Amino acid sequence: DAGVIQSPRHEVTEMGQEVTLRCKPISGHNSLFWYRQTMMRGLELLIYFNNNVPIDDSGMPEDRFSAKMPNASFSTLKIQPSEPRDSAVYFCASSRGVDQKLFFGSGTQLSVL
Amino acid sequence: DQQVKQNSPSLSVQEGRISILNCDYTNSMFDYFLWYKKYPAEGPTFLISISSIKDKNEDGRFTVFLNKSAKHLSLHIVPSQPGDSAVYFCAANKYNQGGKLIFGQGTELSVKP
Repeated sequence: DAGVIQSPRHEVTEMGQEVTLRCKPISGHNSLFWYRQTMMRGLELLIYFNNNVPIDDSGMPEDRFSAKMPNASFSTLKIQPSEPRDSAVYFCASSRGVDQKLFFGSGTQLSVL
Repeated sequence: DQQVKQNSPSLSVQEGRISILNCDYTNSMFDYFLWYKKYPAEGPTFLISISSIKDKNEDGRFTVFLNKSAKHLSLHIVPSQPGDSAVYFCAANKYNQGGKLIFGQGTELSVKP
């Protein structure tokens, strides 16, 4: 299996621009998670989906952030407009059922200038 | 409110010796705990887990100990190898609640030859 695939690996953008991060979960996994890693807050859960339905988005920082999962093999995390404080590594992870052993992608390093 | 805490940001150990990484949690509802390992520019990978019905779980060189009364767990690596150098994250959740994991800040382990 190819594992969880995230794109792009790096994104550099200017404040105010829209940013879209993409994720392809492992085939057969029906839970998908978006995490963010920063020096200050460590790894924090933003949102997770089960069977393509958002279950908990309480970690989404504000309305500038939105996530979708149109089908079982694709998800996006969008930031509009982006701000310098959004600079972080964003990880996507997937799991099967209620298994807590998450499989993470390699992450997207986002820099907002 | 940091529900999972790893108070040591870094640890340095000599090759062949034991590495002990510590983790404390505050939420008494947590009953499933995991350790993840992360290399630079990669996503975290699952290492070992333990449920609250146990106080020890072993997998090769890696052993996790859980002290529920103290709300403390530790990861022991014996013997430590240079390839173990990475950031180790402790995570916690309620069993069967899916992957909504609460992560600690991480401890960077350096194993010196």
